[in-house]
Amino acid sequence: QSALTQPASVSGSPGQSITISCTGTSSDVGSYNLVSWYQQHPGKAPKLMIYEGSKRPSGVSNRFSGSKSGNTASLTISGLQAEDEADYYCCSYAGSSPYVVFGGGTKLTVL
Amino acid sequence: EVQLVQSGAEVKKPGESLKISCKGSGYSFTSYWIGWVRQMPGKGLEWMGIIYPGDSDTRYSPSFQGQVTISADKSISTAYLQWSSLKASDTAMYYCASEGIGVTPGAGAFDIWGQGTMVTVSS
Repeated sequence: QSALTQPASVSGSPGQSITISCTGTSSDVGSYNLVSWYQQHPGKAPKLMIYEGSKRPSGVSNRFSGSKSGNTASLTISGLQAEDEADYYCCSYAGSSPYVVFGGGTKLTVL
Repeated sequence: EVQLVQSGAEVKKPGESLKISCKGSGYSFTSYWIGWVRQMPGKGLEWMGIIYPGDSDTRYSPSFQGQVTISADKSISTAYLQWSSLKASDTAMYYCASEGIGVTPGAGAFDIWGQGTMVTVSS
């Protein structure tokens, strides 16, 4: 059982927007604005898409955005494209031990 | 080019020891935390621990404390993950990853990843 809870799957059509939730507790997501989101295509290493809740690394499309409310963080992908089909993982800083915890991952299907 | 290059796939027997490596290049290896992430077959990502190569400060997830050892040799820009006695349940892909400029240190924002090392433990 993962420390952070994500939906197992989400889907959307090209051009639509989708949101993936990541629910933690007051000890991790709720206490720190330090949630990261990763995209992982099959057989590939993860790629950082969002860090510190809402910041995008250089080169990441502005179609990806992050937010947080209480103990739940969210990743929104607007203008869905076929290449967005992948697994998405959230992770959060959780203080000194366990330090960082991941969600179980969400499979995004672009219909 | 900024990159992390990991050692190749390993096939080991239960009870054997193993040390896999992750060599950084193209950036200041000693200035950023490097972490290890496990991905068991068909499963999600798990944060194992991190090391700061500059002074070898190391932190472990409680799930992996005592099960693995993370180390680094800054003279050759290389981090390591090692086991003293492998189990079948250690079969997984192991990624090393480095935090980058501008991120809060030690908070899980890895923007440089190695290609992964597949470790298979089977009798």
